[in-house]
Amino acid sequence: AQSVAQPEDQVNVAEGNPLTVKCTYSVSGNPYLFWYVQYPNRGLQFLLKYITGDNLVKGSYGFEAEFNKSQTSFHLKKPSALVSDSALYFCAVRGSQGNLIFGKGTKLSVKP
Amino acid sequence: DGGITQSPKYLFRKEGQNVTLSCEQNLNHDAMYWYRQDPGQGLRLIYYSQIVNDFQKGDIAEGYSVSREKKESFPLTVTSAQKNPTAFYLCASSIEGRPLGYTFGSGTRLTVV
Repeated sequence: AQSVAQPEDQVNVAEGNPLTVKCTYSVSGNPYLFWYVQYPNRGLQFLLKYITGDNLVKGSYGFEAEFNKSQTSFHLKKPSALVSDSALYFCAVRGSQGNLIFGKGTKLSVKP
Repeated sequence: DGGITQSPKYLFRKEGQNVTLSCEQNLNHDAMYWYRQDPGQGLRLIYYSQIVNDFQKGDIAEGYSVSREKKESFPLTVTSAQKNPTAFYLCASSIEGRPLGYTFGSGTRLTVV
């Protein structure tokens, strides 16, 4: 069965420090992977995607993600966190029917 | 600007009532989706539609119904059979057959009173 796991419910980071939000996936075949961000009472905003090619994907707002096939991971990273990055982050994989399967989300808290 | 619009933003339902959540898109996307979001549970798929006049059940379709009479519109009805309808509902759309991800609406928060 296709699935996505985000092992951390919450990640706390000091402003200016690097951040990592973890994601692992289980899917048959080549995965299509996505990261979205959600601010309170809002819809999800697309950050970046991996379809094929370079394992390091760059996205919006300075975020990037590294695809690791051997570890079935797609961790989200940012070199220097901002307080405004505080939000809920979702990892997703495209399912066999074309729908996206989402992880449970990780709350990122960046403190000044 | 193209986008996807959900209305209303907040909705209150009495016990035993049916309510309908609106989702409209002008992106010319083929596929549309409804998700339910509860704290700590992520997004769960209710229904999806890949083409007009056709739709499929997702993981938690019980107590919900949809229609897809127009490409632009995919309304969700929360029926009285849904025992715990209080949640945040998100509509999304995508181009069918292309792994480009979704565009999301801003959501409707439904509360049972």
